Amino acid sequence: SQQGEEDPQALSIQEGENATMNCSYKTSINNLQWYRQNSGRGLVHLILIRSNEREKHSGRLRVTLDTSKKSSSLLITASRAADTASYFCATDGGYGNNRLAFGKGNQVVVIP
Amino acid sequence: SQTIHQWPATLVQPVGSPLSLECTVEGTSNPNLYWYRQAAGRGLQLLFYSVGIGQISSEVPQNLSASRPQDRQFILSSKKLLLSDSGFYLCAWYRDRAPDRGYTFGSGTRLTVV
Repeated sequence: SQQGEEDPQALSIQEGENATMNCSYKTSINNLQWYRQNSGRGLVHLILIRSNEREKHSGRLRVTLDTSKKSSSLLITASRAADTASYFCATDGGYGNNRLAFGKGNQVVVIP
Repeated sequence: SQTIHQWPATLVQPVGSPLSLECTVEGTSNPNLYWYRQAAGRGLQLLFYSVGIGQISSEVPQNLSASRPQDRQFILSSKKLLLSDSGFYLCAWYRDRAPDRGYTFGSGTRLTVV
């Protein structure tokens, strides 16, 4: 099935800086979701953007979606040490039964 | 409130031994339930999903099986574990209600087969 694919580079930033990570996918989607995973824990849902949306905000998170390029970006503004985690994008490509295809994740380290 | 419980948190099992991981959901009825596996440093692979009691769909052929004996209970099993079954297993249910539509994951089970 289709896979979301994050830009594989790990990111290390200073607290207060912005963190941006990207995700690309291969086929059409109904929506794209971003999740955060702290080390050794389950994933936490952050935000969902539908295929007819171009940008969405939630607190310090900003997600963009470009369906023509089949890509999405997640921006975390004014990062905090607590934002240190792996971030995954997941696509709902209409596989049925709400199945999602996850990318490999992008590790972000925020240095206090 | 809706919660998902998954246990045990960690498990070390010898090759050839059986496996049973349990996941239960509270605060919702007839949820779609999923088992994912996460290999070290990699993304999530969907193993099984269930849309109702006794209804199991397998995504990949493997040494594992799943069952859903009750509406809010999802079990992942194996009769004989392989070394390749090691990984981080996550149970999830899909909350299909705006504005928080998306998966809620359990805390995961770290399985090491030795």
